[in-house]
Amino acid sequence: EAQVTQNPRYLITVTGKKLTVTCSQNMNHEYMSWYRQDPGLGLRQIYYSMNVEVTDKGDVPEGYKVSRKEKRNFPLILESPSPNQTSLYFCASRPFYSNQPQHFGDGTRLSIL
Amino acid sequence: QKEVEQDPGPLSVPEGAIVSLNCTYSNSAFQYFMWYRQYSRKGPELLMYTYSSGNKEDGRFTAQVDKSSKYISLFIRDSQPSDSATYLCAMSPLIQTGANNLFFGTGTRLTVIP
Repeated sequence: EAQVTQNPRYLITVTGKKLTVTCSQNMNHEYMSWYRQDPGLGLRQIYYSMNVEVTDKGDVPEGYKVSRKEKRNFPLILESPSPNQTSLYFCASRPFYSNQPQHFGDGTRLSIL
Repeated sequence: QKEVEQDPGPLSVPEGAIVSLNCTYSNSAFQYFMWYRQYSRKGPELLMYTYSSGNKEDGRFTAQVDKSSKYISLFIRDSQPSDSATYLCAMSPLIQTGANNLFFGTGTRLTVIP
């Protein structure tokens, strides 16, 4: 089954404690991206990657890091989380040279206290 | 002004009603138009995908694009309680070369009452 898998699904943590949200896709997609979803603001892109070792900032990259060492994985790293990063996060993927829509994971709800 | 505007609702309708969901946009470069459905505690899933203007029908769902008015719609016929979800419109320019080229509306929350 084609899917994008995120872990963890839920996390409550404290300010300043580094955390990583993993994302893995099994569709051999080149393009992967991270979004956050907040009420009234919709989905906003944090970072995206066009292929292995190629990443770039989206609309709201401050406070986040990513890496793309393998094609299937695209982890999101919060080095020093703050309460304003409390949000619902989604990973997505699609073939790069295509106008096919993105496939989304089921989300990670982060609460930073 | 946002690239994509969508009425957040919420929208409540009785079972069997025809539902109309809408988005407007400002960027004339948009060529691909999508509707995603998002259930609670789940990720957005693609519902409809259209290119340029016109209508596309899939079962009870019809997507319409009016590029002259920069207006897209999703119609749901014979709505069911299982259609209760948040509906997100999304759109992109002709060629997705990377970058942030998928633009989302904020979503409309729909409840279909049995």
